[in-house]
Amino acid sequence: SQTIHQWPATLVQPVGSPLSLECTVEGTSNPNLYWYRQAAGRGLQLLFYSVGIGQISSEVPQNLSASRPQDRQFILSSKKLLLSDSGFYLCACQTGGNEKLFFGSGTQLSVL
Amino acid sequence: SQQGEEDPQALSIQEGENATMNCSYKTSINNLQWYRQNSGRGLVHLILIRSNEREKHSGRLRVTLDTSKKSSSLLITASRAADTASYFCATSHNTDKLIFGTGTRLQVFP
Repeated sequence: SQTIHQWPATLVQPVGSPLSLECTVEGTSNPNLYWYRQAAGRGLQLLFYSVGIGQISSEVPQNLSASRPQDRQFILSSKKLLLSDSGFYLCACQTGGNEKLFFGSGTQLSVL
Repeated sequence: SQQGEEDPQALSIQEGENATMNCSYKTSINNLQWYRQNSGRGLVHLILIRSNEREKHSGRLRVTLDTSKKSSSLLITASRAADTASYFCATSHNTDKLIFGTGTRLQVFP
């Protein structure tokens, strides 16, 4: 079965600094990949999803971008972080026509 | 917004009691899923119910779906302290995207 690696677990960054969060998937190929953000005590907001290499769909206008340079690698980036970018970022994958999502363990980002 | 809304936002019960959480959504769906999240962790899939199904069981979990009312419920029977977590519904609407609700925080006291 698939395994999702997401790192780091915790990140504290100053306002205006760049960001790169990486998610890699093992044990499957051709997954759909997703980035979600969760504010404290709230639901999940879909940020980006990708159905293949180089294919990115953005769900909300924002300060973030995503890239998929390899089949099982999904990267979330920002050139200059804002305070409002703070939150819990979750990577998820969906494979083989299976409709359920498998989630990584998340990255808690604090922008100060 | 397609986002679902869970009700109640928070629920506190004693071990052994049943917990019922509800989810409402706004547009037609392919399927509805329930997930569980322990504090500070990723979500874990619990159960999926398709739009042409009305009820589904998995162990102590029972899910119902009423497409005419655009609502679903998750029942956890004989709750345990280990069931303490947040529970989210998520809906699929003819795309590869899953849209999540706002969640119910369940606290089960021993």
